[in-house]
Amino acid sequence: GESVGLHLPTLSVQEGDNSIINCAYSNSASDYFIWYKQESGKGPQFIIDIRSNMDKRQGQRVTVLLNKTVKHLSLQIAATQPGDSAVYFCAEKRSGGYNKLIFGAGTRLAVHP
Amino acid sequence: GAVVSQHPSRVICKSGTSVKIECRSLDFQATTMFWYRQFPKQSLMLMATSNEGSKATYEQGVEKDKFLINHASLTLSTLTVTSAHPEDSSFYICSARLAPTDTQYFGPGTRLTVL
Repeated sequence: GESVGLHLPTLSVQEGDNSIINCAYSNSASDYFIWYKQESGKGPQFIIDIRSNMDKRQGQRVTVLLNKTVKHLSLQIAATQPGDSAVYFCAEKRSGGYNKLIFGAGTRLAVHP
Repeated sequence: GAVVSQHPSRVICKSGTSVKIECRSLDFQATTMFWYRQFPKQSLMLMATSNEGSKATYEQGVEKDKFLINHASLTLSTLTVTSAHPEDSSFYICSARLAPTDTQYFGPGTRLTVL
């Protein structure tokens, strides 16, 4: 069935390195994508979003890349810090309806000093 | 901006009782709010879409008579878990859509434990 999924369940990086978290989606009709960060026991926190008419968007230390040809989404975090340790979810909005989001399985990012 | 709160943050109740969880958008109005459920080490599963002034839209497999949703104002949606059982124990999270964007902002979540 249709889904938003992640390639890697856990990613370990050294502090200061760049991190790349990947996400695959299967619905070509999706028009909006969001990355969320969730720390233990807390609600998801908005990081960055991108619309399907774009292929790249940059924020503070983060960049989202969208490849519609292969239905792939990635989140790049520059100079990863211990405070970046969390679970990261990609979410996909499918057109129509009440703008509900479909979440991927999540990737845990562990930053080591 | 775009802050969403939930109350309570944690609740423990006895089996058979009902629990109400509130979701508020503090600095914006939200005609649409969403309720999710999250089990340990799993992703968020959408339970229902809450629409101000109308009935909620439930996802397949979610019992509308067990999970009552009321979206009485543009800043408040409530989820009531009726006749709670231990299997209802979970992390319940709400979000509010910041119109006219598609972005959803999430509350901090409510940890429900049913004994």
